Amino acid sequence: EPEVTQTPSHQVTQMGQEVILRCVPISNHLYFYWYRQILGQKVEFLVSFYNNEISEKSEIFDDQFSVERPDGSNFTLKIRSTKLEDSAMYFCASRWAGLANNEQFFGPGTRLTVL
Amino acid sequence: AQSVTQLDSQVPVFEEAPVELRCNYSSSVSVYLFWYVQYPNQGLQLLLKYLSGSTLVESINGFEAEFNKSQTSFHLRKPSVHISDTAEYFCAVSEGNTPLVFGKGTRLSVIA
Repeated sequence: EPEVTQTPSHQVTQMGQEVILRCVPISNHLYFYWYRQILGQKVEFLVSFYNNEISEKSEIFDDQFSVERPDGSNFTLKIRSTKLEDSAMYFCASRWAGLANNEQFFGPGTRLTVL
Repeated sequence: AQSVTQLDSQVPVFEEAPVELRCNYSSSVSVYLFWYVQYPNQGLQLLLKYLSGSTLVESINGFEAEFNKSQTSFHLRKPSVHISDTAEYFCAVSEGNTPLVFGKGTRLSVIA
């Protein structure tokens, strides 16, 4: 069964450093998403991406964040200068464009720890 | 704006007992409703979904949820839980193609 994969599973970085979180969506999916979950809190939407551009973003997704689909398979989230409050689990999700029901398939997540 | 309320942050229950995890939502339009499950150290897995049609939806592992439009609820139930059901359960809502809005989650702990 196809699945969304994410690397690394755990990333530790120093405050102020840049990090890139990687995701490989399901191959025939066309909508891509990043969500995050701060420890003990709910899952929050960051950004959605379709047709090589951002289709929607939340207020969390400020200028420190960017997304990219550098090739036909990867979907990345970059945080330019990490802050302590960026420590969270980051989930990638994807869905097929033909589905009107918005069923999103989630990856296992990357736990980001900012020291 | 959409929102989801999961009233119970933790629900302990004995094995083979029934359980109900509550979810209420607010939305001004028609919605799609989802329950996701997160096992320890794993990602989010779709448990079941309501899109349209029958208000009662079921999962393959015995969970069911009922969409109640008048009460804006989508409570999750299981008549007899198993130790392996121990996990975090998230209710989520979307309006068509909008991003998912999640509740804070309910941690279900099944006690032997």
